[in-house]
Amino acid sequence: DVKVTQSSRYLVKRTGEKVFLECVQDMDHENMFWYRQDPGLGLRLIYFSYDVKMKEKGDIPEGYSVSREKKERFSLILESASTNQTSMYLCASKIAGTTDTQYFGPGTRLTVL
Amino acid sequence: DQQVKQNSPSLSVQEGRISILNCDYTNSMFDYFLWYKKYPAEGPTFLISISSIKDKNEDGRFTVFLNKSAKHLSLHIVPSQPGDSAVYFCAASARVYKFYFGSGTKLNVKP
Repeated sequence: DVKVTQSSRYLVKRTGEKVFLECVQDMDHENMFWYRQDPGLGLRLIYFSYDVKMKEKGDIPEGYSVSREKKERFSLILESASTNQTSMYLCASKIAGTTDTQYFGPGTRLTVL
Repeated sequence: DQQVKQNSPSLSVQEGRISILNCDYTNSMFDYFLWYKKYPAEGPTFLISISSIKDKNEDGRFTVFLNKSAKHLSLHIVPSQPGDSAVYFCAASARVYKFYFGSGTKLNVKP
């Protein structure tokens, strides 16, 4: 059974804190993604990694960075959390070079106070 | 500016009837379209897809229709079941790793 796991289901942080969201997949997928989901806006791509140590900005990268040191792990970093980063964060992975489906993790609900 | 739009935030249907979920897109370069289903507290899961070279794809109770001239796709669920109650997202792609998602339609199938 394929699996994408995220380190926390719920997270509460304070403005200005550095926040790490971790994602791990066990399918040996090359591509990994971070999205945020907001009401009325759907899923928006923050960052994409097409292989280890390789990354590309998505549509809304401002205020975020990522790290991919190992194939199975993709981390999203909020350098200085702000209230407008309160959202649901979803990680996904897929096989490279195809339009095959992405497999999503269960999401992390982040609240920044 | 959203390139994929789902204009109906919610839809309520009686069990056994047809559910039709709609999605519009603006980018004529999109060549692959997918539908995902999302239950509360879970990530989206893949449901069905269609390539732009087709206008219809069926998988059991689920059929996706693509009208390229209208830049419109729809998902038909027949017959609808209470377990189909979820949020449905459509997504489109012009590159193998860049997907654009709609805002979702919450389907409620009443027993």
